[in-house]
Amino acid sequence: DTGVSQNPRHKITKRGQNVTFRCDPISEHNRLYWYRQTLGQGPEFLTYFQNEAQLEKSRLLSDRFSAERPKGSFSTLEIQRTEQGDSAMYLCASSLGISLGDTEAFFGQGTRLTVV
Amino acid sequence: DQQVKQNSPSLSVQEGRISILNCDYTNSMFDYFLWYKKYPAEGPTFLISISSIKDKNEDGRFTVFLNKSAKHLSLHIVPSQPGDSAVYFCAASRSTNFGNEKLTFGTGTRLTIIP
Repeated sequence: DTGVSQNPRHKITKRGQNVTFRCDPISEHNRLYWYRQTLGQGPEFLTYFQNEAQLEKSRLLSDRFSAERPKGSFSTLEIQRTEQGDSAMYLCASSLGISLGDTEAFFGQGTRLTVV
Repeated sequence: DQQVKQNSPSLSVQEGRISILNCDYTNSMFDYFLWYKKYPAEGPTFLISISSIKDKNEDGRFTVFLNKSAKHLSLHIVPSQPGDSAVYFCAASRSTNFGNEKLTFGTGTRLTIIP
């Protein structure tokens, strides 16, 4: 297992189209996070899962966004009816999430979305 | 409301000297702090962390200092090397019995090491 894997690395789509991104976390990690990063900003939290349960969603996650983590393994993030403001780097991270001592989240390389 | 702030967007340091990156936070519920390093077109890479029960944590050339009363932390890199040139993000979190909650990031500091 070489770390968190995200696909695709780049996605260009026309405004109004739907897009789906996939994240494969580190295999023994129970927690999975989605973040979004725009130019000049730090990553902003979108949502996270503990196994298959979605525990928190940010206000940034409008009703056009949906995330799933079936069976507590990989996760998908879907954006419906994309808008130009959705253009950003979408980052996935995972962490162990089993005890108080679990700390670091490890990030994938991200999916760069461009909406034209 | 920016709960984690990195007030220096950029910093240039001579190779071999010490780099000091600063971070301030406002939410007193944060009890775990991390530094990530990011190269262009890549995801953030974990560097070092510190729990609020400590005031210093060291890992090789990297040391993080935490001043809880001032709600301030800093990352020291010594000696600085050209490969340290990257954007550094400070992040804060609350710990729970099942690991940390979401990370709240600062806006980053671009560090440039001058050979």
